[in-house]
Amino acid sequence: SQTIHQWPATLVQPVGSPLSLECTVEGTSNPNLYWYRQAAGRGLQLLFYSIGIDQISSEVPQNLSASRPQDRQFILSSKKLLLSDSGFYLCAWNRLLTDTQYFGPGTRLTVL
Amino acid sequence: GQQVMQIPQYQHVQEGEDFTTYCNSSTTLSNIQWYKQRPGGHPVFLIQLVKSGEVKKQKRLTFQFGEAKKNSSLHITATQTTDVGTYFCAGPPGRDDKIIFGKGTRLHILP
Repeated sequence: SQTIHQWPATLVQPVGSPLSLECTVEGTSNPNLYWYRQAAGRGLQLLFYSIGIDQISSEVPQNLSASRPQDRQFILSSKKLLLSDSGFYLCAWNRLLTDTQYFGPGTRLTVL
Repeated sequence: GQQVMQIPQYQHVQEGEDFTTYCNSSTTLSNIQWYKQRPGGHPVFLIQLVKSGEVKKQKRLTFQFGEAKKNSSLHITATQTTDVGTYFCAGPPGRDDKIIFGKGTRLHILP
């Protein structure tokens, strides 16, 4: 069976500090991978998606970046966090040619 | 581009009352999906509808796909406290592989 992992679960970071969030998927190969951000009580904002290694599409211009160094690994990074980067970050995957998305447990980021 | 609109944004109901959320698309959808996100949790896939006019049930939840495949609804009968959360509909990805999520309906149950 397939599983998706995200870490850390919670993170408190000062403004201006770097960020690295990791997501890994097990039990499948060549998944589409996605990073979403969700502000408190709000909808899902798509940040990045990837259809393959080193193939990243950005949806929102901002101080975040994403990388996919391995087939089942997706990393969200920032060199300098802003207060507005606070939120709930969700990684998701779906199989090629299917639409159902499976979400990871998420990382709750607070920037102070 | 394709948009998926969801209403209402919030809904407060008394426990035992029914609840309905609606999803409308600007274009015809090949399918529509529904997800539930419990407070503090992550979205979890509930169901996918594919056929025009399709109706599917999961216990107290009834999902419908419109005849024109541009709208969908989720109806919960006799709500319970376990139904609390945000319900999202999602349209299939276009050529860009992006699934389009509605903004969600947050359901709050009054005891």
